[in-house]
Amino acid sequence: AQSVTQLDSQVPVFEEAPVELRCNYSSSVSVYLFWYVQYPNQGLQLLLKYLSGSTLVESINGFEAEFNKSQTSFHLRKPSVHISDTAEYFCAVNRGGNQFYFGTGTSLTVIP
Amino acid sequence: DVKVTQSSRYLVKRTGEKVFLECVQDMDHENMFWYRQDPGLGLRLIYFSYDVKMKEKGDIPEGYSVSREKKERFSLILESASTNQTSMYLCASRPPRGAGELFFGEGSRLTVL
Repeated sequence: AQSVTQLDSQVPVFEEAPVELRCNYSSSVSVYLFWYVQYPNQGLQLLLKYLSGSTLVESINGFEAEFNKSQTSFHLRKPSVHISDTAEYFCAVNRGGNQFYFGTGTSLTVIP
Repeated sequence: DVKVTQSSRYLVKRTGEKVFLECVQDMDHENMFWYRQDPGLGLRLIYFSYDVKMKEKGDIPEGYSVSREKKERFSLILESASTNQTSMYLCASRPPRGAGELFFGEGSRLTVL
C-alpha cells in the first residue's frame, strides 16, 4: 500500500520568513500529488497539484511545490509567510483511481 | 463555483443514538467519499460510492453504513453511535475519470457523549 510521510507535525515560523513543509511518498509508479490546506473548523481546500508536465507547480497565494521523482518527494515552500497562512497542511497521493493516501498533516503557525 | 455541502457542521449525540450525516454536491460527480479526520492520524476513508446505489468499503468501515439514492447525495449513517466515533467527518466528491482532485465539504464535527 501507498504511504505518505509528512515529517514535521508542527512548524512554527516568523512572519515574512521562508518555510518548507516536507512530504515524501512510497510509490515508485506514476502518481498524482496534491497539497491541501485546512483552516480551523473548515474542510480541506486544494492548494496545488501535480498531474504531469512541469515538476514545479504554484498556487495563487505564493506557495510552490516541486515534484522530485528520484527522491519521491513533493515538498511545499513559500518564500515569505503571512499570518493568514496559519493552518493545517496535508499532502496527498493518488494513482488515478479513487484511493487517495493522505499524510498526517503539518500544522503551520506563523508568529507575528 | 463547485460546492459540496454538509448539512450539519456541529452535532452532539448520546451513545447508542442513530446519527445521519448528509452530503450534497452540485458538480454532477459520480464519485463521493466519506472520510474521518482525527489529530495525528490524518484522513481515513470510511466508504466511497462510484455511482447511485453503489458503494465500496474504505479503510475503517466498521460501525458505519452509507446510502446513495441520488447522484448528488451521499449519507453516512452511524447505527449506534459510540464515544470512539467522536471525530470530524469530511465528505468529498470527484469527477469519474482520469486525474483529478477531491472536492471537500466544510466538515461535520460530531461529539458522542
